[in-house]
Amino acid sequence: GQQVMQIPQYQHVQEGEDFTTYCNSSTTLSNIQWYKQRPGGHPVFLIQLVKSGEVKKQKRLTFQFGEAKKNSSLHITATQTTDVGTYFCAGPGGSSNTGKLIFGQGTTLQVKP
Amino acid sequence: AAGVIQSPRHLIKEKRETATLKCYPIPRHDTVYWYQQGPGQDPQFLISFYEKMQSDKGSIPDRFSAQQFSDYHSELNMSSLELGDSALYFCASSLGRGPGELFFGEGSRLTVL
Repeated sequence: GQQVMQIPQYQHVQEGEDFTTYCNSSTTLSNIQWYKQRPGGHPVFLIQLVKSGEVKKQKRLTFQFGEAKKNSSLHITATQTTDVGTYFCAGPGGSSNTGKLIFGQGTTLQVKP
Repeated sequence: AAGVIQSPRHLIKEKRETATLKCYPIPRHDTVYWYQQGPGQDPQFLISFYEKMQSDKGSIPDRFSAQQFSDYHSELNMSSLELGDSALYFCASSLGRGPGELFFGEGSRLTVL
């Protein structure tokens, strides 16, 4: 079945440093979504990428979807303590369009003030 | 804005007992998803419903069952509980079957003793 691999598993940065998490799929994805889960919280939608090579920005966050639509990345510039949490990429599961998402293992970001 | 409501937020059960989790999706959302998240793990898809019919099935044990009712709320029934069922159970809803954003509830934390 489809697998979504995400690296690194953990990242500790000093406040102000940049952060990047990478997501790779074993199959071509029709789209990819990114979610953030704060400690003790629930996943919250950040963005959806659909087009090959797409790049989207949200303030200090930059999301990319690979040309082959099999990989994606999330880059945070100048991290802040409010960026702490686990970032998940998620792709559609299976060939049928049921809305189901398969999540990557997540990257947990710790920011030292 | 109304969010996904899950109840109960916490429950403690003994082995071999049963438990029922409830989920009230965002008004007008017709699709409900159930996910299970173990400590430090990514959300694992269990089952989903669209317009009160099961639309997809994931790694849901045979001891578990779920349904979506006429008012679109959903219930996850878990029987013969095992220690390994201890986890955070998230319900998410969406409008249609995607692709699109999933709105997650705050989760129900099940502890099996």
